[in-house]
Amino acid sequence: KAGVTQTPRYLIKTRGQQVTLSCSPISGHRSVSWYQQTPGQGLQFLFEYFSETQRNKGNFPGRFSGRQFSNSRSEMNVSTLELGDSALYLCASSVLQGNQNTIYFGEGSWLTVV
Amino acid sequence: SQQGEEDPQALSIQEGENATMNCSYKTSINNLQWYRQNSGRGLVHLILIRSNEREKHSGRLRVTLDTSKKSSSLLITASRAADTASYFCATDKFGNQFYFGTGTSLTVIP
Repeated sequence: KAGVTQTPRYLIKTRGQQVTLSCSPISGHRSVSWYQQTPGQGLQFLFEYFSETQRNKGNFPGRFSGRQFSNSRSEMNVSTLELGDSALYLCASSVLQGNQNTIYFGEGSWLTVV
Repeated sequence: SQQGEEDPQALSIQEGENATMNCSYKTSINNLQWYRQNSGRGLVHLILIRSNEREKHSGRLRVTLDTSKKSSSLLITASRAADTASYFCATDKFGNQFYFGTGTSLTVIP
């Protein structure tokens, strides 16, 4: 079974631009969540989608948005990029089995804002 | 703010020694999980322990959970150079939103 796939793996953007990152979850996983990882802040939860609906949202400004498609693939978008948005963006998918929900991560998308 | 905090932040040991890292969290949880992250890569799931469990083993890994103290520990026995990575604990309350600790950076010296 293929793992979580994220594209692109690396990208460089300029301040003020916008970026879209893509995530394909593990087949059969309907929940997709996004995390931002920076050296100073660690792993921060961005949002979680389930069946095309945003179910949970972290404490990030409205410049950060996402969506999920009917095939469970997800995208996240960051508009008006700031230098502080430089980070590793991790996507994770999961399926609830009983009361156990193990999340599986992709390799991440490295975003550098210059 | 993050739910969990790992301790120590960094740990350096000789190959063959045991490594212990701790995680504390703030609120009641459903499950607690440990993940490993090699530099610049995604996180790899290691082990899950449910809130009604006290100890769990998986290969060279041993995890304990003390819900009264809101803490967990991860023990890696007979460490190897390949164990060099950052280790994170993650908690979930409702099964679909996870909070990660700040991580412990483990270096195993050959």
